[in-house]
Amino acid sequence: QVQLVQSGAEVKKPGASVKVSCVASGYTFSYYSMHWVRQAPGQSLEWMGWINAGNGNAEFSQKFQGRVTITWDTSASTAYMELRSLKSEDTAVYYCARDELGIDYWGQGTLVTVSS
Amino acid sequence: EIVLTQSPDFQSVTPKEKVTITCRASQNIGTSLHWYQQKPDQSPKLLIKYASQSISGVPSRFSGSGSGTDFTLTINSLEAEDAAAYYCHQSSSLPYTFGQGTKLEIK
Repeated sequence: QVQLVQSGAEVKKPGASVKVSCVASGYTFSYYSMHWVRQAPGQSLEWMGWINAGNGNAEFSQKFQGRVTITWDTSASTAYMELRSLKSEDTAVYYCARDELGIDYWGQGTLVTVSS
Repeated sequence: EIVLTQSPDFQSVTPKEKVTITCRASQNIGTSLHWYQQKPDQSPKLLIKYASQSISGVPSRFSGSGSGTDFTLTINSLEAEDAAAYYCHQSSSLPYTFGQGTKLEIK
């Protein structure tokens, strides 16, 4: 069965960076694009970006352009999302999510808390 | 960016009731609209894909309809375990977007 297992919770200070990993299993990793979506406390879901399996390129929401990097290591079936210059407003649960012409499977989420 | 607007934001319902949640897109997205259920402290779970396609393992009381800009998620004969937030999501064009969510409370 498809599983996406993310790294554990993080606490960061404003201005720092965080890197979240997502290990996939149960399918051929490189055949499917991977999205990153976040959810601030009590809020809806917000798409951050994805890595396109078709060409290996990453694309981002304009909101995060310049602050986020999305990569993957196909040999390790692992995707990564790094967010820099963290602010308190970046406190959220961050999800990786597999794409099949729409998001089907989600990781369990990684809570990132930004606090001084 | 395609904006998805759900209604209602919140609904309090009794078991066995029929529930309808709507999602309106700011432009034509064909049938590239999906529905998710999210319970507290859990990841979203796919309920319906491409507006009306059922998902294996999802109870048959969940159904979807619509195309273009107007979509509906229907829950027939609501059960207590259906208390959750429901989100629509479009995959017609980047950036992907989500509705603001509908919270269902069971009386």
